[in-house]
Amino acid sequence: GENVEQHPSTLSVQEGDSAVIKCTYSDSASNYFPWYKQELGKGPQLIIDIRSNVGEKKDQRIAVTLNKTAKHFSLHITETQPEDSAVYFCAASPRGSTLGRLYFGRGTQLTVWP
Amino acid sequence: EAGVTQFPSHSVIEKGQTVTLRCDPISGHDNLYWYRRVMGKEIKFLLHFVKESKQDESGMPNNRFLAERTGGTYSTLKVQPAELEDSGVYFCASSQTLNTEAFFGQGTRLTVV
Repeated sequence: GENVEQHPSTLSVQEGDSAVIKCTYSDSASNYFPWYKQELGKGPQLIIDIRSNVGEKKDQRIAVTLNKTAKHFSLHITETQPEDSAVYFCAASPRGSTLGRLYFGRGTQLTVWP
Repeated sequence: EAGVTQFPSHSVIEKGQTVTLRCDPISGHDNLYWYRRVMGKEIKFLLHFVKESKQDESGMPNNRFLAERTGGTYSTLKVQPAELEDSGVYFCASSQTLNTEAFFGQGTRLTVV
C-alpha cells in the first residue's frame, strides 16, 4: 500500500517568516494530495489540496507544490501568524480510491512565535 | 450546517471493558470513514461506509472492532473487549460523494487503562 513520510516533525518559526513542510509518497499511482490542519481540541480541517495534473496551487498565504517524478509534495506558508500554530498533516489518495480513503503522514507541529 | 460530530469526546475505560463510539456525519453525506491515530503516529484508515454498506474494511485491526451504520445515517464503532493498545484518538469523516473532500469530526480520545 501507499506510504507517506512527512518532515519535519516539529517546526518553530518567528511570526512573519515562511514555513515549509515536506512529504514523500511511495505509490506513483496516487493522484490526490490534501493537507489538513489540526488545532488543539479540534479535528483535522482541509486547508488546501492538489491533484496530480497540477504542479502548484495557491490560496492566499498557503501554497502546495507537487513533483510527480520525485514523488514529493510540499506545503508553503508565507507571512506566518501565531494562529497558524497547529499540527499539519499531509495525505495521499491512490488513483481509483475515494478521496476520503487517505494515507497520512505523521504530522508536523508548527509553532509560530510572536 | 452542522459538521461531523462525534461522541463522546473522551472515554477512559479499563482493559476488558466495552466502549462504543458514535459519529454523526454531515447530513446528506453518503460516505463515512473511521480513522485512528495512535499517539505520535500517523492517522490510519479503519473503514469506509457507503450509506449502510461497508465498502472497505481493510484497516480494521481485528475482530474486537465492530462498526455499524444502520439506516445509513450515524455510525457506531464498538471495541469489545478493549485492550491497552486500542488507546488513541478515533476520527470520523464524511464526504458527499466518492470524489469530494472528506470533512473530519473532532475525534474521540480513548484511553484504555
